[in-house]
Amino acid sequence: QQQVKQSPQSLIVQKGGISIINCAYENTAFDYFPWYQQFPGKGPALLIAIRPDVSEKKEGRFTISFNKSAKQFSLHIMDSQPGDSATYFCAANNQAGTALIFGKGTTLSVSS
Amino acid sequence: GAGVSQTPSNKVTEKGKYVELRCDPISGHTALYWYRQSLGQGPEFLIYFQGTGAADDSGLPNDRFFAVRPEGSVSTLKIQRTERGDSAVYLCASSSMTSTDTQYFGPGTRLTVL
Repeated sequence: QQQVKQSPQSLIVQKGGISIINCAYENTAFDYFPWYQQFPGKGPALLIAIRPDVSEKKEGRFTISFNKSAKQFSLHIMDSQPGDSATYFCAANNQAGTALIFGKGTTLSVSS
Repeated sequence: GAGVSQTPSNKVTEKGKYVELRCDPISGHTALYWYRQSLGQGPEFLIYFQGTGAADDSGLPNDRFFAVRPEGSVSTLKIQRTERGDSAVYLCASSSMTSTDTQYFGPGTRLTVL
């Protein structure tokens, strides 16, 4: 049973465009939703995170939109750059609030 | 400052052998996590330590996998009688007591079982 579903699996965006990655979760007990960025051969790095008491959080070019009733959240990357090309993972904490449950990832390619 | 470090970065072993993977968390971080990442997948939780004790080991796939953190800092993931299906990147993460949700990951150990 996959508790965090992520789409699309891969994404190609032109430089300067907007990249949008979506995630859906099932467990209403989740209360922390981070996005991680991973480059080949590296560990995941925290990009931005949100809690369900807000509907949107913005940090620079990265924005999380959160829809609690729909149990969905998304990452928007504005003015996408070739350096943003990486794999992005959404996640949610487990019911105990300890471990993270990750989506399967989205491979983003930003073409110049 | 120093992040989470993991050694070795790569480990190649033969089926049936025993391996140990080491994680050095960020100094002062009390929580430590092990995850496993298979090719093309997201990290999957294995075990969580708070201090020296394993607070949640529900992700360990079977009794061939074991982890310790004897002094509340460095942790070792131990895999006995390795199988080809154990091949993956093993990631370690740590978090502080004041911000337990924010997990910082190491670069991982790529384990290949031949």
